Amino acid sequence: AQTVTQSQPEMSVQEAETVTLSCTYDTSESDYYLFWYKQPPSRQMILVIRQEAYKQQNATENRFSVNFQKAAKSFSLKISDSQLGDAAMYFCAYRRGGATNKLIFGTGTLLAVQP
Amino acid sequence: DVKVTQSSRYLVKRTGEKVFLECVQDMDHENMFWYRQDPGLGLRLIYFSYDVKMKEKGDIPEGYSVSREKKERFSLILESASTNQTSMYLCASSSQGFGTDTQYFGPGTRLTVL
Repeated sequence: AQTVTQSQPEMSVQEAETVTLSCTYDTSESDYYLFWYKQPPSRQMILVIRQEAYKQQNATENRFSVNFQKAAKSFSLKISDSQLGDAAMYFCAYRRGGATNKLIFGTGTLLAVQP
Repeated sequence: DVKVTQSSRYLVKRTGEKVFLECVQDMDHENMFWYRQDPGLGLRLIYFSYDVKMKEKGDIPEGYSVSREKKERFSLILESASTNQTSMYLCASSSQGFGTDTQYFGPGTRLTVL
């Protein structure tokens, strides 16, 4: 069975600094997708970034980028120039390839941004 | 913008009551999902549906059932609520097809069972 592990329950970063959130996963599949979702306090969860396993290039979305290490089964999220609005719970998620859109989530990392 | 709405933000029920949680999406998505979110456990899939009247069990279906009579609406039913079902419940929807697997989430329903 596939699993997703986020080993950092809480992280803190100073405004304008860079922070990296860790995620590892376990799968025997070769075709899969990885995601980072953000859940701000009392607000809806939204997709931050998505990575296809077959793509070697790391995905980026503005200040958010990933370090995808397929052999190590690692998928970390880097937030550059952190802003107060980045404070949220961040979830790493996995989906195997194919028709199903079922996601397997990690336990989340709560990110605090200090002014 | 995709909109996923849930019938209640907060709900308090008594043990043994039948509880209905409703979710509606307005983007004609084929897939709909019900998760429960607990501290330290992340999100766990209860049930999902990939079409009207179709459903599949997720990882923790025990004590829950679902109904999808219309494409836009997916209901989660707790037949006889118990205190261990006190949790945050999140609904999500997504389209099918390659590259369209982003799940769009509702605001959540925080259910307390006394």
